[in-house]
Amino acid sequence: EAGVAQSPRYKIIEKRQSVAFWCNPISGHATLYWYQQILGQGPKLLIQFQNNGVVDDSQLPKDRFSAERLKGVDSTLKIQPAKLEDSAVYLCASKRTRGGSGANVLTFGAGSRLTVL
Amino acid sequence: DAKTTQPNSMESNEEEPVHLPCNHSTISGTDYIHWYRQLPSQGPEYVIHGLTSNVNNRMASLAIAEDRKSSTLILHRATLRDAAVYYCILKTNAGKSTFGDGTTLTVKP
Repeated sequence: EAGVAQSPRYKIIEKRQSVAFWCNPISGHATLYWYQQILGQGPKLLIQFQNNGVVDDSQLPKDRFSAERLKGVDSTLKIQPAKLEDSAVYLCASKRTRGGSGANVLTFGAGSRLTVL
Repeated sequence: DAKTTQPNSMESNEEEPVHLPCNHSTISGTDYIHWYRQLPSQGPEYVIHGLTSNVNNRMASLAIAEDRKSSTLILHRATLRDAAVYYCILKTNAGKSTFGDGTTLTVKP
């Protein structure tokens, strides 16, 4: 099966500019996650979608970050305006949902690396 | 969220076994133990997972302590391609999983 697709792979912007990242999960995967990974740290969950509804966005800085998953397939993550500390890799992951099983495996995309100057 | 604790780094020689430990003393009865690894410039990839019993697959083995408060990922013969950051995480039935900073494995030729 095709993997999780993300674009762009790299983006350089100046602070206070805006940026958007796109994710296409594996076909049939109802659950989609966006993670932020700062250099040298593990991924930190920003938001979790189940189909097109938000399950958890408690870690999303809502004053500048927004995410949507229209039609329960593709998703976009937007940052506006960007700050220096937003420099990170933004990872998208998806998983098939079989009930509430913790056994379901995450599949990650390659990530989008953002540099804010 | 249930947390895991891993050593920051470990070293291994090529073609030798590697045992990567993980402590998860606050694990609940329904949490699964998952291991992922992240190669440079890539997203994390799934390695193995288990609930109570030891597990084997083509990549690795997972040994889970009887009280489930710790687990060990075993790479039977490390290769240079196994050099990566290894993450041990707990997955709840709600689908939540929190990554720590993982263990950076260095494999020496």
